[in-house]
Amino acid sequence: DVKVTQSSRYLVKRTGEKVFLECVQDMDHENMFWYRQDPGLGLRLIYFSYDVKMKEKGDIPEGYSVSREKKERFSLILESASTNQTSMYLCASSYPQGIATNEKLFFGSGTQLSVL
Amino acid sequence: AQTVTQSQPEMSVQEAETVTLSCTYDTSESDYYLFWYKQPPSRQMILVIRQEAYKQQNATENRFSVNFQKAAKSFSLKISDSQLGDAAMYFCAGGKLTFGKGITLSVRP
Repeated sequence: DVKVTQSSRYLVKRTGEKVFLECVQDMDHENMFWYRQDPGLGLRLIYFSYDVKMKEKGDIPEGYSVSREKKERFSLILESASTNQTSMYLCASSYPQGIATNEKLFFGSGTQLSVL
Repeated sequence: AQTVTQSQPEMSVQEAETVTLSCTYDTSESDYYLFWYKQPPSRQMILVIRQEAYKQQNATENRFSVNFQKAAKSFSLKISDSQLGDAAMYFCAGGKLTFGKGITLSVRP
């Protein structure tokens, strides 16, 4: 089975801190994604990547950046965390390359981030 | 652009009964796929069922089936013989990685 691992299940940070959320997948998937999940808003796409060193903005990229130096790892970066970035963050991966809209997503278990 | 709408925030069903979760969508694509994902309390999101828009036959996976009405842009999920383990949030999703707001399903023993 595909495994998508997010490094932290819960994280508490202070306003203004630089925050790294890490995600690793073990099935050689080309595509990786970062979503945030908020009550009443569902999942919203922040960034995605369809290849190493490639990235594309999703629907809500403001305040975030990403890094994909290796195929299996996709990092979400909050350059200066703010309280409105308190949320659940979900990482996902899929195959094949390109944003094929027929392929299912494999998700990690999420990181609940609290920014105080 | 694609939008996915789940208008019911919560639903409840008696164990062993059938429940239908609603979803509507809008898309400018001529060929697309639609999905239902389940997120249990463990937060591990998993795919429940997938429907290809060009297929007229409704997808079925064991106790889970869809009612796909392409003209009405409706994509509802039917869960038959509901079990306690079906209690979760369910998300409808489609096309360009767009998700609905989700619905919380509770199952009464």
